[in-house]
Formats: sequence, structure tokens, C-alpha cells
Amino acid sequence: DVKVTQSSRYLVKRTGEKVFLECVQDMDHENMFWYRQDPGLGLRLIYFSYDVKMKEKGDIPEGYSVSREKKERFSLILESASTNQTSMYLCASSLVQQGVYPGSNQPQHFGDGTRLSIL
Amino acid sequence: QKEVEQNSGPLSVPEGAIASLNCTYSDRGSQSFFWYRQYSGKSPELIMSIYSNGDKEDGRFTAQLNKASQYVSLLIRDSQPSDSATYLCAGPNQAGTALIFGKGTTLSVSS
Repeated sequence: DVKVTQSSRYLVKRTGEKVFLECVQDMDHENMFWYRQDPGLGLRLIYFSYDVKMKEKGDIPEGYSVSREKKERFSLILESASTNQTSMYLCASSLVQQGVYPGSNQPQHFGDGTRLSIL
Repeated sequence: QKEVEQNSGPLSVPEGAIASLNCTYSDRGSQSFFWYRQYSGKSPELIMSIYSNGDKEDGRFTAQLNKASQYVSLLIRDSQPSDSATYLCAGPNQAGTALIFGKGTTLSVSS
């Protein structure tokens, strides 16, 4: 079974802080993703990465950055936390099907999520 | 901009009934779709993948893909109270690099 591990289930930070959310997967997946989920807005893609040191902006990248120094680890960084970044953050990973790159035809597997509160 | 749309519900069914969840998508070229179940306060869990027209069955779950009509459905037979959750439909984004998710349909199964 795929295991995607997020470093914290609950996190409370203050406005203006730099916040790091960590995600590790153990299945050698090429693709990794960061989403946030808010009531009524569904899952929204922040950033994704299809290879080490590669990153692509998703639909709502403003105020966030990412880092992927190793294949198994994908970090989300809130440069200067604001109250509107209070949300559930979900990390996911997926395989790249051979010959189909980068591939959205493989299912994504999610971590347990981090509920982040910015005060 | 590709879209994946679902009726938010709630969809209420009695225990033992068939629950039918539907999803429509905007792009005829989309090939792969996924159904996720999400319990309150938990993360989405993959329950079905479907890649071709027709039906795919797995236990009490059947996914149906109709590319001509651009809809995907999920049938849950013999619904149980433990099936009460939000069900998310997902398909490929515009660039084919990630998935886009519908906002989910909330299912409530009463005993």
C-alpha cells in the first residue's frame, strides 16, 4: 500500500511566520501534489512536482512556495502566513505511467492532511 | 478550462438501497476518472478508477463511464451507514498534468 505521511495533523501559527509543511511518500512516485481544501471550495491545487527539483504552479500558488530536493519528499512553504491561509492542507502522490508523461491518468494517494490555523 | 461538476447533495438513501452518484465533465478528450470517498475530518481515499467506456465493478461499487455523454457515475449497492461520506469525482486537468476534483456529493445512509 502507498503511504503518504504528512508531518503534522494539527498546526497553529501566527501571522507573518514562515511555515513549513512536510510530506513524504514511500512508493517511489514521481508526481507529488499539494492541495488545500476549504468548505464550499473543494480541493484546490497549489503546486505540484513531477521530478526532483521540478515544480509547477497549480491554480492558487500565491503566497506559497515548494521544495523537492529528494524524490520522496515534497515541502510546502508559506512565506509569510496570513489568516486566509487557515485551511486543511493535503499532500498526494502518484505514479507516472510509462510512456505517459507527466501523467494525470494515474490515481493520486493522499496523506492524512494537516489542519493549519493561522492566528 | 476543464471542469468536473457534481451535485453537492445531500443524497439520502435508506440502508440496503442503491446510491447513485453522478459527475459530469467538460472535456470530451478526458480518458481517466477516479472516485474518492472522504469521511468528515479525514483525507480522500481512492475507491474506484475507470479508464474506458462502460462499467467497472468492485464489490458493492460500480463505476460507469459514458464518454459520449461526458458523465461518470458511481453506484453503491446495498448501502450501509458506513458509506455515509462525501464522494469526490476527479478527472484530468487542462494540461493533463494533474487531476481536478469536483466539490463532492454528500451521501447519508440511514439505518
